[in-house]
Amino acid sequence: EIVLTQSPGTLSLSPGERATLSCRASQSVSSNYLAWYQQKPGQAPRLLIYGASSRATGIPDRFSGSGSGTDFTLTISRLEPEDFAVYYCQQYDSSPFTFGPGTKVDIK
Amino acid sequence: EVQLVESGGGLVKPGGSLRLSCAASGFTFSNAWMSWVRQAPGKGLEWVGRIKSKTDGGTTDYAAPVKGRFTVSRDDSKNTLYLQMSSLKTEDTAVYYCGTAFYDSSGGLRDYWGRGTLVTVSS
Repeated sequence: EIVLTQSPGTLSLSPGERATLSCRASQSVSSNYLAWYQQKPGQAPRLLIYGASSRATGIPDRFSGSGSGTDFTLTISRLEPEDFAVYYCQQYDSSPFTFGPGTKVDIK
Repeated sequence: EVQLVESGGGLVKPGGSLRLSCAASGFTFSNAWMSWVRQAPGKGLEWVGRIKSKTDGGTTDYAAPVKGRFTVSRDDSKNTLYLQMSSLKTEDTAVYYCGTAFYDSSGGLRDYWGRGTLVTVSS
């Protein structure tokens, strides 16, 4: 089973600042089958990034993903008020398709 | 409009069984690979299982904690996804979401989720 570790656990930033979230896998994720999700309280998750770097439909271009192998990054270039949420990475390379524990981005 | 609506959640005793349903509309359900994801109160997301479309083999995959106890199935004639849960444990208490993702006409990928149904396992 591929174990995903996310850091930091919590990121306290102000609107307009840049957010950099990390996701590390216990073994290489083939074909960059790595996704990022955003989840707000009481809501279902929302796909932001798939294939490590492709934005899902309707996702603003301030969200970008990068990385390969075992190290992946989600960057939010300038935080908008609606971006304060929890972010999860998920690998869909090999079953079980595990999620990371999440990074909470909250308002400083 | 794509819609996924879960139902069947509720209170069940440890060792009991429950079947969740996910009614789909607004897309070609038979072509979709469908997933279940759960979230325990105050915790993160946990992938539960997936079923491929019948044209892609209809096979299933499961997370280790539910393998052998949970079964994902589909009825394409009813556009409905199921999660049969048995030998339930207190740690199965969670909101259960069904979801899918597919490419739209512009070639972009988008995901769709239901609002979730709460399963509480308690004596």
